[in-house]
Amino acid sequence: NAGVTQTPKFQVLKTGQSMTLQCAQDMNHNSMYWYRQDPGMGLRLIYYSASEGTTDKGEVPNGYNVSRLNKREFSLRLESAAPSQTSVYFCASRAGTSGGAVPGANVLTFGAGSRLTVL
Amino acid sequence: SQQGEEDPQALSIQEGENATMNCSYKTSINNLQWYRQNSGRGLVHLILIRSNEREKHSGRLRVTLDTSKKSSSLLITASRAADTASYFCATVSMDSSYKLIFGSGTRLLVRP
Repeated sequence: NAGVTQTPKFQVLKTGQSMTLQCAQDMNHNSMYWYRQDPGMGLRLIYYSASEGTTDKGEVPNGYNVSRLNKREFSLRLESAAPSQTSVYFCASRAGTSGGAVPGANVLTFGAGSRLTVL
Repeated sequence: SQQGEEDPQALSIQEGENATMNCSYKTSINNLQWYRQNSGRGLVHLILIRSNEREKHSGRLRVTLDTSKKSSSLLITASRAADTASYFCATVSMDSSYKLIFGSGTRLLVRP
């Protein structure tokens, strides 16, 4: 199993350019997430999708949009990149049903990360 | 702002010693999870403790939860150089079971 796959792994953008980070999972998970991690800091939630067809804002959604394309795929778009969006972006998924009676259903599986630099 | 704050921010110990790191959070939780991150990699889940549990063990890991103090601790016993990593707590709140909010992390260095 590939788990959670993110593309691209590295990207350099100029201020004002747009780009989309792609994420796909092959574990039939219901929920998917996008986080960003700045140097020496923890992860901050950008957007999440509790289930196919739904998306919700996290802690730091400004400047980003997301699309839950289908159950497998959850993309993150930067419409007009800014230097403050320089970060490492992580996608994650969770089997996740509310209540979590199934062991392991509540935990996140992460991708390897996408390092984005905005000049 | 992040839900969890971890303490200490950095910890350096000798191989064989125990490492303890703490996490404090702000709101009522459904469960609390600990993750590990090796440098430059994604996070890996270690252990989950529910709000009605006080202590949980997994191998060399021991997690405690005190909901009255809104805090948790992670103990790694008999540490190894391979335990060198950053450790993060993540909370799932009672009012939104889909959101996992991470703390700021503890960087652990285990010296051989």
